[in-house]
Amino acid sequence: ETGVTQSPTHLIKTRGQQVTLRCSSQSGHNTVSWYQQALGQGPQFIFQYYREEENGRGNFPPRFSGLQFPNYSSELNVNALELDDSALYLCASSSRTSGDTGELFFGEGSRLTVL
Amino acid sequence: RKEVEQDPGPFNVPEGATVAFNCTYSNSASQSFFWYRQDCRKEPKLLMSVYSSGNEDGRFTAQLNRASQYISLLIRDSKLSDSATYLCVVIGGGNYQLIWGAGTKLIIKP
Repeated sequence: ETGVTQSPTHLIKTRGQQVTLRCSSQSGHNTVSWYQQALGQGPQFIFQYYREEENGRGNFPPRFSGLQFPNYSSELNVNALELDDSALYLCASSSRTSGDTGELFFGEGSRLTVL
Repeated sequence: RKEVEQDPGPFNVPEGATVAFNCTYSNSASQSFFWYRQDCRKEPKLLMSVYSSGNEDGRFTAQLNRASQYISLLIRDSKLSDSATYLCVVIGGGNYQLIWGAGTKLIIKP
């Protein structure tokens, strides 16, 4: 087990709704990254948080937002859900920015279905 | 053209065979390379880093060809438990973001 936990594991929403996904990082890790993985695709980088500040963002619209808390846990918020937002959302923690080691420790993901 | 490209497969391989995957990347400034493994409906896990001189970990060998901008993964004496999707990951270009391939699905058959 990686020690990274995500909740909820599965959820169903309808178009236009908002969702909050949560992630507890591995003990000792201060960096959290969020990824979206559509079926049959590799993970797509959404953004990264390092010591409570956003430290890089992928090609996602502003309705994807996040937070990191003092204990390094993190939230991903998605507003105005669209059908294409249906995917597995993965949280990954690391001890430094991922450029240093490339080793990320992933949670099991939150599978979001938008109807 | 995608930044990181992989043959999606699936590769159907008999147990005990040797199988090789390639992954090409478009950014010549890329600095670091990795192979991750992802089991069905599970999270990705780091399999191995890829070093310039090539590296081996048991039955797994990874190689980097900077001139042709590809990395490879070779699995020898394949086991049923090797069935998974193998994801190629590239870091570099100045922003230190991990760029992921779409993965190659491997199915090992008894």
